[in-house]
Parts: sequence; structure tokens; C-alpha cells
Amino acid sequence: AQTVTQSQPEMSVQEAETVTLSCTYDTSESNYYLFWYKQPPSRQMILVIRQEAYKQQNATENRFSVNFQKAAKSFSLKISDSQLGDTAMYFCAIITGNQFYFGTGTSLTVIP
Amino acid sequence: DTGVSQDPRHKITKRGQNVTFRCDPISEHNRLYWYRQTLGQGPEFLTYFQNEAQLEKSRLLSDRFSAERPKGSFSTLEIQRTEQGDSAMYLCASSQEVANTGELFFGEGSRLTVL
Repeated sequence: AQTVTQSQPEMSVQEAETVTLSCTYDTSESNYYLFWYKQPPSRQMILVIRQEAYKQQNATENRFSVNFQKAAKSFSLKISDSQLGDTAMYFCAIITGNQFYFGTGTSLTVIP
Repeated sequence: DTGVSQDPRHKITKRGQNVTFRCDPISEHNRLYWYRQTLGQGPEFLTYFQNEAQLEKSRLLSDRFSAERPKGSFSTLEIQRTEQGDSAMYLCASSQEVANTGELFFGEGSRLTVL
């Protein structure tokens, strides 16, 4: 079975600052993909960033980057230059086979 | 709007009643997923379709739950004899079959409240 753990239920950051959201996972699969999804208040979830497990290079998407530590099964999300629109729930997820497994989420608030 | 759409967005029902939710995925996506999300939790997998075939069902999906995707396009999720514990957000998502690397595109969800 796959598990995804997000140990920070809530976080806050000042606008323009940097914040890191933590995620650890467990899987026995060798081939998998990791994702961070964002769920703004009352809006649908959207993909923030994706990491392929066999790639050692950390993925980046504009202000979003990940720190992927495969041996430690860690997949943290760094948000640089935080903006008010980054306020949302953030979910870490893993896909193995045909199923996505999500963590319990981190509620991020960006403070003006 | 060419995203995933769900209907209704909100449903309030009395315990014991049946409810049905509809999901229209992105048209070229052949994979469709149903998830359930309760307050403070991440989405929990319920079931998955590839075209019209229901390929996987979670143990969370009791016999009161049934899902269909009759023509490989829209899908319905029916809950019979609703219970208060069924109160949740029901999320639909679709994706293309790209070696399981494809991202999920979510709808805005159907919120169910069972009184």
C-alpha cells in the first residue's frame, strides 16, 4: 500500500517570502510519480508541479520547486516570492498503477 | 468551458434518500476518477473508469454506491439509502492515458449533506 504524509496541517508566510511544505511517502514501487496539487478556497484542485521518481533532477515551475530525496522518500515543495493567490490547501500525491494517493493537505495562508 | 464539470454542486438530502451526481470529463480524456473528500482530509479514491469500463473500486465503495460511465463519456455516481457518514465532497477527475504520468483535472466537486 502507498501512504502519503503531510505533517504540517497549517502554515503561514509573509507575502514575498519563501515557504517550504513537507511531504513524505511510502511505496514499494520502483516506478512512480509525485505531484503537488493546489486547492484554492471553493475552487477545484489544480496541478502545481510533477516529479518523476527516476529523475534525480528536482522539478521547477516558475516560483515553485521541489526537493526530491528518493532514499528518504521525501518530496517537499518550496514556494518562492509568495503571493496572495498562493493561499490554498496543498496536497502531496503519489501515483502508482492507476491510483493516486493523497496526503491530508497543508493549509497555506499568505499574509499581506 | 472545457474543464471537468460536476452537477449538482450542492445537495442536501435526508437520511435514507438516494442521490445521484453527474460528472462530465474533458472530452478527449479516457480516464475518469471519483474521489471523496471530507473536512481536513485529502481526496480518497473511490473508483476509476477507463472509457466505459470500471477497472478499480475502493473498499470504501460500499454496496450502496454505484458508478457508471455508459458511453465512455459522462459518469454518474449514485448513493442509495444515504447515511450521515456519506456527507462529504465528491470529486470527479479525468486524465489522458499517458503511462500513468498524466495529471488529474478536477471538477469543482459535488458537496453532499445528509441530514
